[in-house]
Amino acid sequence: GAVVSQHPSRVICKSGTSVKIECRSLDFQATTMFWYRQFPKQSLMLMATSNEGSKATYEQGVEKDKFLINHASLTLSTLTVTSAHPEDSSFYICSAAQGAEVKLFFGSGTQLSVL
Amino acid sequence: KNEVEQSPQNLTAQEGEFITINCSYSVGISALHWLQQHPGGGIVSLFMLSSGKKKHGRLIATINIQEKHSSLHITASHPRDSAVYICAVRKTSNYQLIWGAGTKLIIKP
Repeated sequence: GAVVSQHPSRVICKSGTSVKIECRSLDFQATTMFWYRQFPKQSLMLMATSNEGSKATYEQGVEKDKFLINHASLTLSTLTVTSAHPEDSSFYICSAAQGAEVKLFFGSGTQLSVL
Repeated sequence: KNEVEQSPQNLTAQEGEFITINCSYSVGISALHWLQQHPGGGIVSLFMLSSGKKKHGRLIATINIQEKHSSLHITASHPRDSAVYICAVRKTSNYQLIWGAGTKLIIKP
């Protein structure tokens, strides 16, 4: 089946640094990728939707200058948390949709801890 | 009111019991997903439904489009089924994914 690879699985960084998370579709072309955030004991929250070659659409309350999303190719999307702060510590997960299909494939997630 | 409501929020059952988790939604959808989130955070897509019923092993998912309701059933439950089960719908209006709050399932041996 289709596989989405997400790296890194865990990252610990100092406050003020930037962190990049990669999401790759390994055997299909992901025309749409979704980025989510999950705080402990809470449900997943959609942060943004990105279509290949165009700017990401951010959900209300998500700062686009802080969470930079790049979807430059059909197999790679990146989320960069800029100037990370402890309140950005969370579980980030990506999912990818293939063409007109509504089936989603999920990355394994990235646990970000900002000290 | 949330556009996607899941119930129950928590469910504890004995091994072997028949499990039902419900999902109701109030928007027009193109698809409904059932997902399983493991304690480590990883998410597995269980089913994608747009109508009818799907079965995979001990898991059964049904959807009633008219009633805007879906159920996930687990037959002969096992401790390894312990996880959070999440319902998500894809809105037809803007293709946005709306998530339910999840159901935390614990199966005791």
